[in-house]
Amino acid sequence: EVQLVESGGGLVQPGRSLRLSCAASGFTFDDYAMHWVRQAPGKGLEWVSGISWNSGSIGYADSVKGRFTISRDNAKNSLYLQMNSLRAEDTALYYCAKDTTAWLRLFDYWGQGTLVTVSS
Amino acid sequence: EIVLTQSPDFQSVTPKEKVTITCRASQSIGSSLHWYQQKPDQSPKLLIKYASQSISGVPSRFSGSGSGTDFTLTINSLEAEDAATYYCHQSSSLPWTFGQGTKVEIK
Repeated sequence: EVQLVESGGGLVQPGRSLRLSCAASGFTFDDYAMHWVRQAPGKGLEWVSGISWNSGSIGYADSVKGRFTISRDNAKNSLYLQMNSLRAEDTALYYCAKDTTAWLRLFDYWGQGTLVTVSS
Repeated sequence: EIVLTQSPDFQSVTPKEKVTITCRASQSIGSSLHWYQQKPDQSPKLLIKYASQSISGVPSRFSGSGSGTDFTLTINSLEAEDAATYYCHQSSSLPWTFGQGTKVEIK
């Protein structure tokens, strides 16, 4: 059974940094691309970033480009999102999602999310 | 960035009724359009991939159609458990984008 467990969320002040983690199990992690998708309270879904199986292909939403960095550690079956220069508009539930292939194609499984609140 | 526009934003439907949700892309995306269902306080669930391909475990009353810029999600014979928000999503080009969502309420 595919399991994706996010962690690292919390309350952070504007301008500060936070690192999210996603622990994956139930599938061969390094066979698949992975993604972060977020959802602001009461709002719709926004794709944040995606990374291919070998980290050779990476993409970001325009809203986070230059501030967020996605990475993965295949030996630890883990996905990360380093978030710098956080803004109030980054407040959201951040989901980790598994792709259906090794490259950026589409996501099929999602975690339960970790909440990030950016506020002074 | 490709903009996806869904209609309607909200629909109140009686059980067994047919539901049709449309998604229009700001430019052609071929068939790289997918549909997700999100129930309250749950993570999204993949319903349809590549415009019309079914997903294992998803009830057959859910179907998709379209290509290019215009797509449709159809729910035949709505059931109470289908109350949710439905999102279209394109993976044709980065950055990936979602539609704004269509909330389906059961009367």
